[in-house]
Amino acid sequence: LAKTTQPISMDSYEGQEVNITCSHNNIATNDYITWYQQFPSQGPRFIIQGYKTKVTNEVASLFIPADRKSSTLSLPRVSLSDTAVYYCLVGLQTGANNLFFGTGTRLTVIP
Amino acid sequence: EPEVTQTPSHQVTQMGQEVILRCVPISNHLYFYWYRQILGQKVEFLVSFYNNEISEKSEIFDDQFSVERPDGSNFTLKIRSTKLEDSAMYFCASSDYTYYGYTFGSGTRLTVV
Repeated sequence: LAKTTQPISMDSYEGQEVNITCSHNNIATNDYITWYQQFPSQGPRFIIQGYKTKVTNEVASLFIPADRKSSTLSLPRVSLSDTAVYYCLVGLQTGANNLFFGTGTRLTVIP
Repeated sequence: EPEVTQTPSHQVTQMGQEVILRCVPISNHLYFYWYRQILGQKVEFLVSFYNNEISEKSEIFDDQFSVERPDGSNFTLKIRSTKLEDSAMYFCASSDYTYYGYTFGSGTRLTVV
């Protein structure tokens, strides 16, 4: 199982773009990179998944360099409601897959 | 949007008592999971369940834990004799075969006193 490393915490002002980087040096060929968001006292929620280059959806963008040893979650123009813990996971692209969470990055958005 | 529903939201129990945590997964999902999160710590995998049997379980999921899908809609986690260290948020999740179908419930906060 590829280990992931993320910053423990980040602060950002409202309206700014936030980039959270995750390193996963031992990512396997078949592994995808998935990001989850967790608000206090709630279950994690899927944000975005990618394999290489760039993926964008209505919530975030995910940038993955060619060597795939790291990835960056980009949240455009954050608001106070984006305050949460963000987890980077590496594994197979399937719903039939146990998820192994690291400690995540606690993002605090400041007014 | 379909939801995974967990009950109760909060349960307080005495050490040594049995508890049953209940979950209603999304109706057309095939894979079911339990995770737990001790306060301030990371989300930990407990057990996965597919085709009416356990697919995989972690070291945490010892003999005091069991899971059941009694009626085709509910998915339960039983802790036979609770310990203080079982106090945690317990999350149920379900998924179809796609990664974006993986959905967590809001959790049950179990407090063992």
